[in-house]
Amino acid sequence: DADVTQTPRNRITKTGKRIMLECSQTKGHDRMYWYRQDPGLGLRLIYYSFDVKDINKGEISDGYSVSRQAQAKFSLSLESAIPNQTALYFCATSRPGQGAGELFFGEGSRLTVL
Amino acid sequence: QKEVEQDPGPLSVPEGAIVSLNCTYSNSAFQYFMWYRQYSRKGPELLMYTYSSGNKEDGRFTAQVDKSSKYISLFIRDSQPSDSATYLCAMRPSGSARQLTFGSGTQLTVLP
Repeated sequence: DADVTQTPRNRITKTGKRIMLECSQTKGHDRMYWYRQDPGLGLRLIYYSFDVKDINKGEISDGYSVSRQAQAKFSLSLESAIPNQTALYFCATSRPGQGAGELFFGEGSRLTVL
Repeated sequence: QKEVEQDPGPLSVPEGAIVSLNCTYSNSAFQYFMWYRQYSRKGPELLMYTYSSGNKEDGRFTAQVDKSSKYISLFIRDSQPSDSATYLCAMRPSGSARQLTFGSGTQLTVLP
């Protein structure tokens, strides 16, 4: 089983719908992240959390919200999806003090907003 | 201008070739330099990292950092079809709370 699990893996939705992407991890890491990946733009940070009570905005947080339900669970919500939120979304974890702060990624959630 | 620039490719080479992948950056505060490999339909995984300047070798892979030129490279020797993937550079300043800035990735195909 994957250490970082994302659900759903694929989702097609319509403009204006609320969408939640979920992430759970078994690595025991405190830090969790949500990134989006777009062709030509690489990975961009949406939100990150260093522990259950800590939530921080990343580079592109507008239009997104997150919830850290437990150390192992971190959800990303799109309250009213729009077409330019069509992208590949990745959840990642890390542990402070471990090497260079390596990120461990899930396999991604592909979201299409029509 | 992006903080980290990476040629997106695609790059196609024959099996056994030496591959050179590169990134340039503008933020002189970057101290940790990483290379992630991403196979199709998978999440990125860390390949190598280097702290500050210098070279680091791991099997067929060598990472180089030239901070004076703000330029980093990944060399792959004796490339194999299994090396076909997208390679992303990433970097950050010192401090465990500092976040990574990623390049856009270079798509590499090694032809058998």
